[in-house]
Amino acid sequence: GQQLNQSPQSMFIQEGEDVSMNCTSSSIFNTWLWYKQDPGEGPVLLIALYKAGELTSNGRLTAQFGTTRKDSFLNISASIPSDVGIYFCAGYTSGTYKYIFGTGTRLKVLA
Amino acid sequence: DVKVTQSSRYLVKRTGEKVFLECVQDMDHENMFWYRQDPGLGLRLIYFSYDVKMKEKGDIPEGYSVSREKKERFSLILESASTNQTSMYLCASTEGQTYEQYFGPGTRLTVT
Repeated sequence: GQQLNQSPQSMFIQEGEDVSMNCTSSSIFNTWLWYKQDPGEGPVLLIALYKAGELTSNGRLTAQFGTTRKDSFLNISASIPSDVGIYFCAGYTSGTYKYIFGTGTRLKVLA
Repeated sequence: DVKVTQSSRYLVKRTGEKVFLECVQDMDHENMFWYRQDPGLGLRLIYFSYDVKMKEKGDIPEGYSVSREKKERFSLILESASTNQTSMYLCASTEGQTYEQYFGPGTRLTVT
């Protein structure tokens, strides 16, 4: 099935650093969602975006709905060890019942 | 907070057994989904339901069936489990207005 391209695939960062990742698509979406998944657990919804250009924050996380509606970005500020995990995006077009998921970015934080 | 629960976190079944995976959500969501997640393949949609007794095939429905007799409960059935159905199974529900999709904790199924 279709997957969205996420970049980077993985990254090691030092505790306290800021992190940026993005998700790109060949299709436009009405809604972008960002999730975090810990090993052996279900994904947890972090942020939902509904409008092109929208910037939304959830604590140290900030996400943006790209102006072309074909991409989205997630930033994590001042990373901490518990930020370790896999982050992935999902795009949704209303009326389709289909969510298209990204390939995931694996984040590792070095204390 | 939205809560999606799954009946088991881990299951081990034998080839040929009938397997039931149960999912319950407590937020009165209309839409419910079953996915499987495999390394390198990401999340793949098996079935979804947009109302009680309504179901639609996803991308990989072969070997699976579903049941939704009550709004809060969506069951996935493996009629005759096979080893290639060893996977992480994730249930999700979605509120109809916001499209925010919430996942359960997952069931790690091993078929031997």
